[in-house]
Amino acid sequence: ETVMTQSPTSMSTSIGERVTLNCKASQSVGINVDWYQQTPGQSPKLLIYGASNRHTGVPDRFTGSGFGRDFTLTISNVEAEDLAVYYCLQYGSIPYTFGAGTKLELK
Amino acid sequence: EVQLQESGPGLVKPSQSLSLTCSVTGYSITSNYWGWIRKFPGNKMEWMGYISYSGSTSYNPSLKSRISITRDTSKNQFFLQLNSVTTEDTATYYCARVVRAFDYWGQGVMVTVSS
Repeated sequence: ETVMTQSPTSMSTSIGERVTLNCKASQSVGINVDWYQQTPGQSPKLLIYGASNRHTGVPDRFTGSGFGRDFTLTISNVEAEDLAVYYCLQYGSIPYTFGAGTKLELK
Repeated sequence: EVQLQESGPGLVKPSQSLSLTCSVTGYSITSNYWGWIRKFPGNKMEWMGYISYSGSTSYNPSLKSRISITRDTSKNQFFLQLNSVTTEDTATYYCARVVRAFDYWGQGVMVTVSS
């Protein structure tokens, strides 16, 4: 099974800053990575699919990139509503596997 | 608008079966794929499996002997059955539509396995 390792586990930021979240696959998954955002009490929300494609309605301050084993999610100009847990998911091989999440908190 | 809603018992006894329903409105389950994902206490997420537009299924090998995903197209519902549950199956269970990614999710149902 492909293990997805996210870093950091948690991150403190200020409103307006730019943050980069990382996800590393234990083997190549091509571009078969999504990013999800989950706030407390809510269902996960799709942000990025296919490594770099922004889902409908997702603000352009969210940018995904990567190929193979290394992937990043960048949030420019962090807003208060972005404070959440972010998960990467690979669907390049079964079983699909999630990273453990990065919690984005306010400094 | 596509909406998914999970339903089922919130408490299941160890060794029994967990059965959940996902009711879909605004989109036919005879199109695309439909999945189950769960989130354990402590935030770990696990993909459990999916059922396709044709009724074929794919499961997480870690669950393969215990899981079954079926559907009722007349009711536009799909189902999760997980047999021989233990306390390790305590989690919030989500159903989701798969179009390029898990793009629509239900609100989730918390299931506790306890005697």
